[in-house]
Amino acid sequence: AQSVTQLGSHVSVSEGALVLLRCNYSSSVPPYLFWYVQYPNQGLQLLLKYTSAATLVKGINGFEAEFKKSETSFHLTKPSAHMSDAAEYFCAVSPSGGSYIPTFGRGTSLIVHP
Amino acid sequence: DADVTQTPRNRITKTGKRIMLECSQTKGHDRMYWYRQDPGLGLRLIYYSFDVKDINKGEISDGYSVSRQAQAKFSLSLESAIPNQTALYFCATMQGSTNTEAFFGQGTRLTVV
Repeated sequence: AQSVTQLGSHVSVSEGALVLLRCNYSSSVPPYLFWYVQYPNQGLQLLLKYTSAATLVKGINGFEAEFKKSETSFHLTKPSAHMSDAAEYFCAVSPSGGSYIPTFGRGTSLIVHP
Repeated sequence: DADVTQTPRNRITKTGKRIMLECSQTKGHDRMYWYRQDPGLGLRLIYYSFDVKDINKGEISDGYSVSRQAQAKFSLSLESAIPNQTALYFCATMQGSTNTEAFFGQGTRLTVV
């Protein structure tokens, strides 16, 4: 069984401030982890993924995430928020073997203030 | 053209009507999925298919059915639409290994009145 918990349905930051979106997972087998972004009126697109290589993963648009097994976390960060980062962000987990069915978190809406 | 195409993009239908949402992909992936998105609930899996002859229920399949007409086509039907099926529906595809990401269509916004 697997699950994902995203802490905070909304996160508000000022432009230029640090972005931190939290994700904790539960998985009975070693997981693969993903962050997706959804812009208004669009589908989800991949930001970055962890697939058991480097624990610090860099993605598009300056985002990165660190896999911490001891904390079962995969938090998403960006040093300096831009207005264009305003979107819905989803964390997802997929088992490293077996069902190939990703499970998504409830999403976090990032609001960026000028 | 988009790799994963959903039609229609928007639809308003009446309670009790049958409606079909269609999904086609050009990525050559064998795995296809239908998700439903509701505010605050994230994406929930309705049905998934690992190949043309393999159809499986997800966590919220009641009231829905699917058809995998070809590797590239996966349709979702609401046999008798009800208002609480009003939601944003997404089709996704994935290649057959778990370290690959899902590719999503643009979504279909369905309103049942």
